[in-house]
Amino acid sequence: GAGVSQSPSNKVTEKGKDVELRCDPISGHTALYWYRQSLGQGLEFLIYFQGNSAPDKSGLPSDRFSAERTGGSVSTLTIQRTQQEDSAVYLCASSQLGQVRGEQFFGPGTRLTVL
Amino acid sequence: LAKTTQPISMDSYEGQEVNITCSHNNIATNDYITWYQQFPSQGPRFIIQGYKTKVTNEVASLFIPADRKSSTLSLPRVSLSDTAVYYCLVGDSSTLTFGKGTMLLVSP
Repeated sequence: GAGVSQSPSNKVTEKGKDVELRCDPISGHTALYWYRQSLGQGLEFLIYFQGNSAPDKSGLPSDRFSAERTGGSVSTLTIQRTQQEDSAVYLCASSQLGQVRGEQFFGPGTRLTVL
Repeated sequence: LAKTTQPISMDSYEGQEVNITCSHNNIATNDYITWYQQFPSQGPRFIIQGYKTKVTNEVASLFIPADRKSSTLSLPRVSLSDTAVYYCLVGDSSTLTFGKGTMLLVSP
C-alpha cells in the first residue's frame, strides 16, 4: 500500500540557491499539509491545501516560501534564496477529511541542509 | 489560536501506565484534540483523537474534562518501543498547532 512519499529524502544546498521539495500524498486524500521541524523542535505548520480551495498560507515564514498542488495531488514546496535558518526536516502529510478532524498520514520527510 | 503546553519529558518503566497531560486553555468550540507519536527520523503517527469525555482505542485512551482546557493521553502497560515524542494537537479550521512534544523514555 502506498503511503505518503517525499523526495528527495536529503537535500544539501548552498545559501542563496532555490530548492524544490516534492510530496506525493495518499491517493484520494483531499487535504495536504506541509510542516517544518527544526532539530529538537516541534512541528511548525507551513501551508494547507484542501481540494480545490485556495490554500491556507498563514504558516509560511516568509515570501521566499511558496507551494503549489497540481491536479489536487502532487505538491511542491519551493524555497527561494535559501538561508541557513531554512535547514530543517520538511514533512508532508495528507488526510481524507479537512483539517484536524481527519487523521493525518505523514511522509518520511526531506532533510534540508543549507550550507 | 489554541496553544498547548506539555511536559518536556517523562520517564517510565516497562509495564507501567503512563499519563501525559496537555494544557490548552484557549481551546475553541470547534477544536478537536489529537495526539501523535513520533520516532526519530520518522514522521508523526496518529494515536487518538477526541472532542470531549473519554475516547479509547487499541493503543491508548484520551481523557478530556468537561471544560476541555486540558487532555490526558493514557498509555497502558508501556514497552520499550513506546519510547518516542508525543505531540498534543489542537486545531480548528485555521492554523494547526502542535505542542512542543513530550519525550517519553521507557526503561527496562
